[in-house]
Amino acid sequence: DAGVTQSPTHLIKTRGQQVTLRCSPKSGHDTVSWYQQALGQGPQFIFQYYEEEERQRGNFPDRFSGHQFPNYSSELNVNALLLGDSALYLCASSQGQGSQPQHFGDGTRLSIL
Amino acid sequence: GQQVMQIPQYQHVQEGEDFTTYCNSSTTLSNIQWYKQRPGGHPVFLIQLVKSGEVKKQKRLTFQFGEAKKNSSLHITATQTTDVGTYFCADSTGRRALTFGSGTRLQVQP
Repeated sequence: DAGVTQSPTHLIKTRGQQVTLRCSPKSGHDTVSWYQQALGQGPQFIFQYYEEEERQRGNFPDRFSGHQFPNYSSELNVNALLLGDSALYLCASSQGQGSQPQHFGDGTRLSIL
Repeated sequence: GQQVMQIPQYQHVQEGEDFTTYCNSSTTLSNIQWYKQRPGGHPVFLIQLVKSGEVKKQKRLTFQFGEAKKNSSLHITATQTTDVGTYFCADSTGRRALTFGSGTRLQVQP
């Protein structure tokens, strides 16, 4: 039973570039949430996808966008990268919307130079 | 918006000592979840508390939800080196997405 898988594991980009991160949810889960975790901080909610639509959004600019596919997998896109976007990006899946227990992937470590 | 405060930020204990981390909210919570994140790892769900005054135990870990549902605590009895990591509480009120606290980093000296 595969858990949540994310790719890539590490990524280095420069300011102004664009990046796409990918996530496959745990088998049986239909909801995907994305979090940004800066060093030494707790995960910050970016947005949540359910039935291929963005259902909730945290306090992140429009440069952060996403998509969910019919097989429940998801992508996170970030445009016009800033130095402050350097962080660990975590994908979490759950069964149903809202505040179900989250199953996290190992994350993508994004470094902006 | 909803904020969840955690204290202490960091605690260093000798193996065998007890450890407690506290989570406080300015508003009433419906539910609270606890997660553990090992160094270099991802958060792992530990437990969810729902009822006022609820106490749940998992081996050496004891979780408590305050009577007013504005605070919660995690207590570890007789810490072991495997307990090392950062412990997060997360507000899981209603249908909103999780709001994580800033975490308490636990270091255990063998």
